[in-house]
Amino acid sequence: DVQLTQSPSFLSASVGDRVTVTCRASQGVSNYLAWYQQKPGKAPKLLISAASTLQSGVPSRFSGSGSGTEFTLTISSLQPEDFAIYYCQQLNSYPPTFGQGTRLEIK
Amino acid sequence: EVQLVESGGGLVKPGGSLRLSCAASGFTFSSYSMNWVRQAPGKGLEWVSFISSTGAYIYYADSLKGRFTISRDNAKNSLYLQMSSLRAEDTAVYYCARDVDRVGMFGMDVWGQGTTVTVSS
Repeated sequence: DVQLTQSPSFLSASVGDRVTVTCRASQGVSNYLAWYQQKPGKAPKLLISAASTLQSGVPSRFSGSGSGTEFTLTISSLQPEDFAIYYCQQLNSYPPTFGQGTRLEIK
Repeated sequence: EVQLVESGGGLVKPGGSLRLSCAASGFTFSSYSMNWVRQAPGKGLEWVSFISSTGAYIYYADSLKGRFTISRDNAKNSLYLQMSSLRAEDTAVYYCARDVDRVGMFGMDVWGQGTTVTVSS
């Protein structure tokens, strides 16, 4: 199975900050990587597919990049509603594994 | 409105069985592949199973070891997960989720609200 390691696991930041979350794969997954946002008690929400394609309705402050084994999710200017847990998921091979999550909290 | 609504969760004893359902509405269910994803209390997301739009292709997480069966009824716009030989470690919120594409390579763009399965004596 492809292991995904997100860093950091916990991130404390302020409104207006620029933040980056990294997802590293144990083997290449091409660009078949997605990013999700999950808020407490809610289902995950797909933010980005194919490493860098923003889903419809997702604010442009979110962006994704990378290919192969290293990927990043960047939020250019944090808003209060962005504090949540973020997960990456690889879809290049079965099983489609998730990273362990990055908890983004308000400083 | 595009919507997925899960049902069937509950409290079950170890070794018991449960059948989860997911009712789809607002889109052409038969055109999309579907998944079950679970989340144990306080833990991350774990993919459970995939079924293609026609049901011809099915995949499971290795950890399930044949205890779970995914199926769908396109005439009823419904997805199912039959779970047997349940263990405490199967305790989780179970989500059904729609794939963006037909082959499941671009993520899951529609999720249900989840149904809670608790395995305990």
